[in-house]
Amino acid sequence: GNSVTQMEGPVTLSEEAFLTINCTYTATGYPSLFWYVQYPGEGLQLLLKATKADDKGSNKGFEATYRKETTSFHLEKGSVQVSDSAVYFCALRGSARQLTFGSGTQLTVLP
Amino acid sequence: EPEVTQTPSHQVTQMGQEVILRCVPISNHLYFYWYRQILGQKVEFLVSFYNNEISEKSEIFDDQFSVERPDGSNFTLKIRSTKLEDSAMYFCASSEAGGRGQGQPQHFGDGTRLSIL
Repeated sequence: GNSVTQMEGPVTLSEEAFLTINCTYTATGYPSLFWYVQYPGEGLQLLLKATKADDKGSNKGFEATYRKETTSFHLEKGSVQVSDSAVYFCALRGSARQLTFGSGTQLTVLP
Repeated sequence: EPEVTQTPSHQVTQMGQEVILRCVPISNHLYFYWYRQILGQKVEFLVSFYNNEISEKSEIFDDQFSVERPDGSNFTLKIRSTKLEDSAMYFCASSEAGGRGQGQPQHFGDGTRLSIL
């Protein structure tokens, strides 16, 4: 079946540092890939997505590139802010509509 | 921006009691979902619903669970006889129509925290 493996957290960075959160997946066919973010006390918000190989999703300074050869969808941001502190979830959608999530990575950005 | 709304935000129920979690999906969306997240664990898919019937369900979604769209706006999850292990955050989501390859994103509510005593 489908699975998503996500970098273990928590991750603590200083403001303006570079962020990478690793995500790899296992799926048959051609899944769509997503990053969701969960701020404290809130639900899951779509951050970005990519639907085919070599697509780059981007939003709010975050980027992730769909790499089929390495089955990866790593999340990056060049300069994090305190307001980026949240839990980040990598997810895929395969042939069925359901999402398969990674375990989530807690990010804390210190001023 | 339209959003998915869930009520209540927190539900406390005695073991063995029935509970109904409510969701109002985004109005032009046609697909509806329930997920749950047990504390410290992954977000897990429970069920998807389209055209007034279940389209997919996971092995978690056993006979104690049911879903319903009782009117044109609400989407509910009922747990018939709650167990301690049902304690979790339950998320509702909805998405537009469109082929599976189009990557239609699912939009999530803020969740209902269910605590079984």
